Amino acid sequence: QVQLVQSGSELKKPGASVKVSCKASGYTFTSNTLNWVRQAPGQGLEWMGWINTNKGRPTYAQAFTGRFVFSLDTSVSTAYLQISSLKTEDTAVYYCARGSTNGWYHFDYWGQGTLVTVSS
Amino acid sequence: DIQMTQSPSSLSAFVGDRVTITCRASQSISDYLNWYQQKPGTAPKLLIYAASSLQSGVPSRFSGSGSGTDFTLTVSSLQPEDFATYYCQQSYSIPRTFGQGTKVEIK
Repeated sequence: QVQLVQSGSELKKPGASVKVSCKASGYTFTSNTLNWVRQAPGQGLEWMGWINTNKGRPTYAQAFTGRFVFSLDTSVSTAYLQISSLKTEDTAVYYCARGSTNGWYHFDYWGQGTLVTVSS
Repeated sequence: DIQMTQSPSSLSAFVGDRVTITCRASQSISDYLNWYQQKPGTAPKLLIYAASSLQSGVPSRFSGSGSGTDFTLTVSSLQPEDFATYYCQQSYSIPRTFGQGTKVEIK
């Protein structure tokens, strides 16, 4: 069955970097796009962007350009989200979500989420 | 960017009630509208895609309708496990955008 398993919670200081992983199984990793979604504490869902897992090309939402980088290691079916120069306002749960391939572009499977806490 | 507006932001209902949540897009998105359910501390779960297509495994008491700019999610008979927050999302254009969420609570 399709699964997306994310890395564990992180506690970081402002200015540090963090790398969140999302390991896929149960399907051909390069057949679907991989999206990243942020949820700040008590807030709604915010789409950060996606990565084309076949070509490795990322697309970022405007609010997530500069300090945010999407990458892949297709040999282990894993996507990564790296955030540099962390700020306290980056504290959130970060989800990876698989994009569907049936032409409607919904997110059919989600990782369990990774809590990143930024605090001095 | 396409703005998605849900109403109401929250509602209280009894088990067995029929519940309807509305989502409005700031411009036409054809049928590219999806609904997700999120329970506290868990990841969102896809319920409906393409405005009215039920995701595999989702109970038939959930249904979606609409096209263009106005959409609805209906739960025909609310069950205890349906108390959660519901989000609409457009997948018509980039950036993908979500509504602000509707929290469904027990009355």
